[in-house]
Amino acid sequence: GQNIDQPTEMTATEGAIVQINCTYQTSGFNGLFWYQQHAGEAPTFLSYNVLDGLEEKGRFSSFLSRSKGYSYLLLKELQMKDSASYLCAAAHAGNNRKLIWGLGTSLAVNP
Amino acid sequence: DAGVTQSPTHLIKTRGQHVTLRCSPISGHKSVSWYQQVLGQGPQFIFQYYEKEERGRGNFPDRFSARQFPNYSSELNVNALLLGDSALYLCASSLSGTSGRGDIQYFGAGTRLSVL
Repeated sequence: GQNIDQPTEMTATEGAIVQINCTYQTSGFNGLFWYQQHAGEAPTFLSYNVLDGLEEKGRFSSFLSRSKGYSYLLLKELQMKDSASYLCAAAHAGNNRKLIWGLGTSLAVNP
Repeated sequence: DAGVTQSPTHLIKTRGQHVTLRCSPISGHKSVSWYQQVLGQGPQFIFQYYEKEERGRGNFPDRFSARQFPNYSSELNVNALLLGDSALYLCASSLSGTSGRGDIQYFGAGTRLSVL
């Protein structure tokens, strides 16, 4: 089967670090995407991992373990504007390279 | 450069009616994907098109159909609207629809459809 799991909600404090986890099961895997979505807006691309390990991009980093079917998004030096929903999506391999999306993690950053 | 554009931004319809949503991809992108997003949930895949051919279809009824034109723009059609079709409909474009590092999907602002 195909399934993506991530926590529904998280709360953190401005300036802190937060880790949003995502586990996935897909029949064929072609990488893991993270998107950010502010309320009422379209998702915007944050990161893509296809090999095991950590990829760092400014305040945001993303990690992947293919053997464990696990990824996380790490947000450092949190700012109020980081309050948003964070969506994890697994790319399905094969001819139909659709993305399987999680329900999203709603992150609230408090002062 | 213009991003992915969708029209209309908002739409109100009644049950049983038909709706057509439109999407123009980023210049140079040949693949368009359509998603339905209900409030508080992640996007649900509806269709993917590449070079005017349907490449993938999600678990949606036959009331949903789509097509891609020679200029790579796309339309999503929904017939016999139901209350449950109320959602944000997102269009995403990418270079080739292969969902890899060189094929990031970029989203439009969406069309918010309300069915009364």
